[in-house]
Amino acid sequence: AQSVTQPDIHITVSEGASLELRCNYSYGATPYLFWYVQSPGQGLQLLLKYFSGDTLVQGIKGFEAEFKRSQSSFNLRKPSVHWSDAAEYFCAASRGKLQFGAGTQVVVTP
Amino acid sequence: DGGITQSPKYLFRKEGQNVTLSCEQNLNHDAMYWYRQDPGQGLRLIYYSQIVNDFQKGDIAEGYSVSREKKESFPLTVTSAQKNPTAFYLCASSMGLAQSYNEQFFGPGTRLTVL
Repeated sequence: AQSVTQPDIHITVSEGASLELRCNYSYGATPYLFWYVQSPGQGLQLLLKYFSGDTLVQGIKGFEAEFKRSQSSFNLRKPSVHWSDAAEYFCAASRGKLQFGAGTQVVVTP
Repeated sequence: DGGITQSPKYLFRKEGQNVTLSCEQNLNHDAMYWYRQDPGQGLRLIYYSQIVNDFQKGDIAEGYSVSREKKESFPLTVTSAQKNPTAFYLCASSMGLAQSYNEQFFGPGTRLTVL
């Protein structure tokens, strides 16, 4: 069965530190891949997406993600976290229907 | 500004009542979706519609109904048959059909609480 896994339910990071959120997918063929962010009580906003080509994808708000076919991964990174990055982050994949991971809650400490 | 609006933001329902959640988009998107979000479970697809007057069940359609009479509107009715309706409901839309590469745009959500 197709699935998207975010191994980390909750991550705490200090402001100014780097952040990496993990995402693994299980599909027969490489899906289209997305990262969304959700602030409390709000809808989802697309950070970036990968369809093909360059495996390092740049997104909004200083985020980037790297696609690694050999590891079936699409990890999200940010070099220096700001307090406003505290939110829930969802990885999603699609080969017809968009399927979401369970999300990773990011807490930013001063 | 183009976008998706959902109303109301908060909704309270007594057991046994049907309630309808509104979703409107002015993005000229053909496809629209309803998701349910519960803590720790990500988003689960309830229904989706690719064109007017057509819609398909998602993964958790039981206890829900939808209509798509206009391109801009995709209301969701939570019926009394839905056993555990308390959740956060998100509406989304995308260009063209519900195809893999089309980015989905999300509304701000409606939080439904059953009293």
